[in-house]
Amino acid sequence: QSALTQPRSVSGSPGQSVTISCTGTSSDVGGYNYVSWYQQHPGKAPKLMIYDVSKRPSGVPDRFSGSKSGNTASLTISGLQAEDESDYYCCSYAGNYTCVFGGGTKLTVL
Amino acid sequence: EVQLVQSGAVVKKPGESLKISCKGSGYSFATYWIGWVRQMPGKGLEWMGIIYPDDSDTRYSPSFQGQVTISVDKSISTAYLQWSSVKASDTAMYYCARQKGGGAVAGIDAFDVWGQGTMVTVSS
Repeated sequence: QSALTQPRSVSGSPGQSVTISCTGTSSDVGGYNYVSWYQQHPGKAPKLMIYDVSKRPSGVPDRFSGSKSGNTASLTISGLQAEDESDYYCCSYAGNYTCVFGGGTKLTVL
Repeated sequence: EVQLVQSGAVVKKPGESLKISCKGSGYSFATYWIGWVRQMPGKGLEWMGIIYPDDSDTRYSPSFQGQVTISVDKSISTAYLQWSSVKASDTAMYYCARQKGGGAVAGIDAFDVWGQGTMVTVSS
């Protein structure tokens, strides 16, 4: 199992939209609709933002959305706010009862 | 309130054994998978393994198989992560997390509740 590939960093201005990609293979992202996204602020535990590719848990703003095409999943944050500045991680089911995380993306709000 | 509370930070010497804990409350502990996630200093998240408290069914990531042991005592709603002999490279923050969708297949569902993390430092 190899870590999923995410861009190291992305940035955007308040009010803009940004998209973070998460690229895997047909054995993980492309093979299952079980991709989740987590937000982690410095020194804090991760927080679930998206599950099953595009579903939002209760309490997560609808500015956060997820999608998938082939072996690449994406997290889009619209109407960027200062508090969205954080690290973001994807995780995909990889078969054999395991999940594999992406390397993480640092989002900077300019 | 659904929560997972982990044991406190620990400092160990190389070669020592270690067991850290994760206590669940506010839900039916036995019927939700509990997973462990490693985060080395300044690095990303790594999925280590997961256990189903009701029957102790345990699955490991290939990267961690044989390196750690995950166990549970459902009578006290507590999961454990243990090492028989720690190394400097085990220095990291370790999180436990509940897999949502009680009873679902291991690894499929997302982690919806997280512990606060346990910092493990291994140094001579």
